[in-house]
Amino acid sequence: AQSVTQLGSHVSVSEGALVLLRCNYSSSVPPYLFWYVQYPNQGLQLLLKYTSAATLVKGINGFEAEFKKSETSFHLTKPSAHMSDAAEYFCAVTRSGGSYIPTFGRGTSLIVHP
Amino acid sequence: DAGITQSPRHKVTETGTPVTLRCHQTENHRYMYWYRQDPGHGLRLIHYSYGVKDTDKGEVSDGYSVSRSKTEDFLLTLESATSSQTSVYFCATSEGAYTGELFFGEGSRLTVL
Repeated sequence: AQSVTQLGSHVSVSEGALVLLRCNYSSSVPPYLFWYVQYPNQGLQLLLKYTSAATLVKGINGFEAEFKKSETSFHLTKPSAHMSDAAEYFCAVTRSGGSYIPTFGRGTSLIVHP
Repeated sequence: DAGITQSPRHKVTETGTPVTLRCHQTENHRYMYWYRQDPGHGLRLIHYSYGVKDTDKGEVSDGYSVSRSKTEDFLLTLESATSSQTSVYFCATSEGAYTGELFFGEGSRLTVL
């Protein structure tokens, strides 16, 4: 059973606009949550992670995400999109159901228009 | 960045032939993973390893086997390739469980005709 859901396989924004990529998780225990980015023809690289410290997590390239237990969400945001942000973004969870094995969402492709 | 190299990076093969993909790391990470990436499915775990000679199945392990005889090498074998195994395969490593960040290789694109 999938424990991470990314809403929207594609998100399109204009350069300079707010970026919001959604991730919801299901877990019977406090999860650890991650966002990864994949640029074309490359492997994934970590953007940020939540491991039960501060609920607002800041990552690289101006991205941040907030862990909201009441909403079981970990949405990724960036105040102002840049053309270079165009990529595939994956939310991942560990410790869901007690497993340390990372489980990934299906990914969201971010398209940035000039 | 963790040094993770995958080989081959591209391969075209025919149905029924055996294929082995290699993942080599230079970071001495304990955990290693093989994922496949397909449109609409994201990354799905094939097999993983939690130490030398210690491996286990992931959610899409049918038709695949793995071996890890050294910390640095994790091999993925398709005993008899099928067209449904056409995919991009990613190797990843992590130093620790749970909170461990995954470090990815650049992927191996496999086409089975």
